[in-house]
Amino acid sequence: DTEVTQTPKHLVMGMTNKKSLKCEQHMGHRAMYWYKQKAKKPPELMFVYSYEKLSINESVPSRFSPECPNSSLLNLHLHALQPEDSALYLCASSLQGSGSSYNEQFFGPGTRLTVL
Amino acid sequence: GQQVMQIPQYQHVQEGEDFTTYCNSSTTLSNIQWYKQRPGGHPVFLIQLVKSGEVKKQKRLTFQFGEAKKNSSLHITATQTTDVGTYFCAGPGNNDMRFGAGTRLTVKP
Repeated sequence: DTEVTQTPKHLVMGMTNKKSLKCEQHMGHRAMYWYKQKAKKPPELMFVYSYEKLSINESVPSRFSPECPNSSLLNLHLHALQPEDSALYLCASSLQGSGSSYNEQFFGPGTRLTVL
Repeated sequence: GQQVMQIPQYQHVQEGEDFTTYCNSSTTLSNIQWYKQRPGGHPVFLIQLVKSGEVKKQKRLTFQFGEAKKNSSLHITATQTTDVGTYFCAGPGNNDMRFGAGTRLTVKP
């Protein structure tokens, strides 16, 4: 199994809703990432988990809350989002923990989020 | 962390023409990666370059890493419509890889 899966594919939510994005990989990768990508822009790193511990938080607002229940799963909990948070949210994984730059990242298909 | 600058932002070519995108850094890079994102898709890893002056080929794609390890290029020979997408380079940041702005390639049949 060489893929990263993400659910849901699309999500529409109001500013008062609470929702979660899910990501899963079964490649034995020890680093997992959340990126935000706006249209015509590069992926913007949000969080990195290394060996199930949060290692990087790129000053992301607290309305985004990551969780790594185990080495295969990564969640992103959303609460009280703003319309400008609408974007494609990409999950990725890589073989080794963060700290090593020599790892290709495998991306999931993303969740396209719309905040009304 | 380090940042990589990527040019051009857009490139529109006639099918069969060549295409090149460039990445530059003000500091030496330990390595550089290239990704392709098709329209409506997600980034897909293409290659990683590590050695000074390294050149790698994948069919019609040629990747180069500069001698000073401060720049890299991706060259596509005789573009096809299947080459359409955005090509990103990524260089090391603080314990992670940081993406360049990307070059969006469109190909006219």
